[in-house]
Amino acid sequence: GAGVSQSPSNKVTEKGKDVELRCDPISGHTALYWYRQSLGQGLEFLIYFQGNSAPDKSGLPSDRFSAERTGGSVSTLTIQRTQQEDSAVYLCASSLWQGKAFFGQGTRLTVV
Amino acid sequence: GQQVMQIPQYQHVQEGEDFTTYCNSSTTLSNIQWYKQRPGGHPVFLIQLVKSGEVKKQKRLTFQFGEAKKNSSLHITATQTTDVGTYFCAGGKAAGNKLTFGGGTRVLVKP
Repeated sequence: GAGVSQSPSNKVTEKGKDVELRCDPISGHTALYWYRQSLGQGLEFLIYFQGNSAPDKSGLPSDRFSAERTGGSVSTLTIQRTQQEDSAVYLCASSLWQGKAFFGQGTRLTVV
Repeated sequence: GQQVMQIPQYQHVQEGEDFTTYCNSSTTLSNIQWYKQRPGGHPVFLIQLVKSGEVKKQKRLTFQFGEAKKNSSLHITATQTTDVGTYFCAGGKAAGNKLTFGGGTRVLVKP
């Protein structure tokens, strides 16, 4: 595709439910990032994939959060047993190594 | 681990005035990038600096990479309402390592 695509764009879920957020990076980009952004706040790093290397999971806030990247392309961020504090915009970005990062439009997650 | 700090966190600017926002890394960087996020949008790449002491200009925006490659600045002249948004810097180290984003400077322009 022409850019980074994220789905869904909006997700409302009940507390305690699991959610999956999807990111389709730009074809050929080796690096993929997930960030979380609360209203008016900065980018909170979650996880980083680079090629076939082991992902950097140092930003995941709890073991309820996990992510995978299949075939070096599409990535899925999973949040289990969602809590209200998980409500935020989840942004995905991809890049070639340390080239400029291209961000998706984000998924706005609301936990009610 | 590597930390990238940005100051100020908030910048209130009168339209037409100049301002500067700063980015400081705890470690030496291989490159620094700047992004702009408009309200309700996603971060968009502005520029990348690679060389020590490098200065680049984009119209009213001037970007500088420090001599020691540990800090950077963004200077905006004659601020306009279109400059409203959050400016993030991102530092990169060795190839293959992730970019580390600063906390951003949120710019509000008073007409």
